[in-house]
Amino acid sequence: GAGVSQSPRYKVAKRGQDVALRCDPISGHVSLFWYQQALGQGPEFLTYFQNEAQLDKSGLPSDRFFAERPEGSVSTLKIQRTQQEDSAVYLCASSLVEVRETQYFGPGTRLLVL
Amino acid sequence: GENVEQHPSTLSVQEGDSAVIKCTYSDSASNYFPWYKQELGKGPQLIIDIRSNVGEKKDQRIAVTLNKTAKHFSLHITETQPEDSAVYFCAARHDRGSTLGRLYFGRGTQLTVWP
Repeated sequence: GAGVSQSPRYKVAKRGQDVALRCDPISGHVSLFWYQQALGQGPEFLTYFQNEAQLDKSGLPSDRFFAERPEGSVSTLKIQRTQQEDSAVYLCASSLVEVRETQYFGPGTRLLVL
Repeated sequence: GENVEQHPSTLSVQEGDSAVIKCTYSDSASNYFPWYKQELGKGPQLIIDIRSNVGEKKDQRIAVTLNKTAKHFSLHITETQPEDSAVYFCAARHDRGSTLGRLYFGRGTQLTVWP
């Protein structure tokens, strides 16, 4: 593919709702990362996949956050019972083979929890 | 864990002038230092990176320097143009241990280039 794509680009949720954010990595990229970017801040790591295996989820802020990549391609970040503090841009990045390679970012999903 | 600090938070320059953004890191195991440019409403885009076995790297108007002893690295943009206006992020990464692969970002520098 041309680049990392994410959908939706914008999401407004009422507090307590569940949301699902999708990431389509660059075709053939093995590694996939999720980051959270609060307003005016740098991205912060959430979780990392190599193919379908979630190798690091230590950055997920609470058990309301869950990510999956069942077939080693598309990934979904799910947030249950959203809170106002979850409002942020959620960025997905992918790299070709291993974690030591360049990470290419998607445009992000801007989540606003009211 | 790694802590990356970035300065200044905002930087305004006249078109044609140079811009310098500085970052420090805390973990001596970090060995890869990318710089990303983020325009409004877009994701971060890699503009240049450097590995710890190199002290300097240049790509046209952009250069990065690394001082491993002092644990700091800098981005230099020469002959700035209005289209260079964006938020720039430095980041650090190490390639071993349980947190290998994750990027630790600075808080960003809003660069404005005035025509």
